[in-house]
Amino acid sequence: DAGVTQSPTHLIKTRGQQVTLRCSPISGHKSVSWYQQVLGQGPQFIFQYYEKEERGRGNFPDRFSARQFPNYSSELNVNALLLGDSALYLCASSFNGGNGYTFGSGTRLTVV
Amino acid sequence: GQQLNQSPQSMFIQEGEDVSMNCTSSSIFNTWLWYKQDPGEGPVLLIALYKAGELTSNGRLTAQFGITRKDSFLNISASIPSDVGIYFCAGQNYGGSQGNLIFGKGTKLSVKP
Repeated sequence: DAGVTQSPTHLIKTRGQQVTLRCSPISGHKSVSWYQQVLGQGPQFIFQYYEKEERGRGNFPDRFSARQFPNYSSELNVNALLLGDSALYLCASSFNGGNGYTFGSGTRLTVV
Repeated sequence: GQQLNQSPQSMFIQEGEDVSMNCTSSSIFNTWLWYKQDPGEGPVLLIALYKAGELTSNGRLTAQFGITRKDSFLNISASIPSDVGIYFCAGQNYGGSQGNLIFGKGTKLSVKP
């Protein structure tokens, strides 16, 4: 069975650019959450979506946005990239938005 | 952003030793979770705790949900080389199809030279 898949696995962007990260949840899971993990820290919550509706938002600037599609996949967009946005971006899916989160392997974003 | 207080930050283990780590919070949670993260991978759930006072085991791992609902600990008995990695605690308040996780900063387990 496929787990949570994220793409791309790595990418390098320049300051000021925009980036889109993608996530496909486990089949049957209706909720997707996004987390940012800076080197040496634990993951920080960015967004949660359930049934295509935003259910939670962390303390991140408006440059960060996300959406969930009818097939429950999700995209995270970051505009006007800053050096500090360099991190591992993790996607997690769950059946009902509550417990039972499964994480993907993440997208490693480097901003230069 | 908010992070839980997790200790120790790092520790060295020798095969066969028992390991303990804990996590505290200023806030109450109704769920405590313990994850392990290997290099280049996402966190993998080890143990989930749903009730204050609950003690749960998963093989050589044992975790407890503190009575105050503000803390949790994880014990690993008879450590083996594959236990090396970073362990994270996470607290969650779940309700209404939402429930983001608040993570600790992690405990890095390394093999004693």
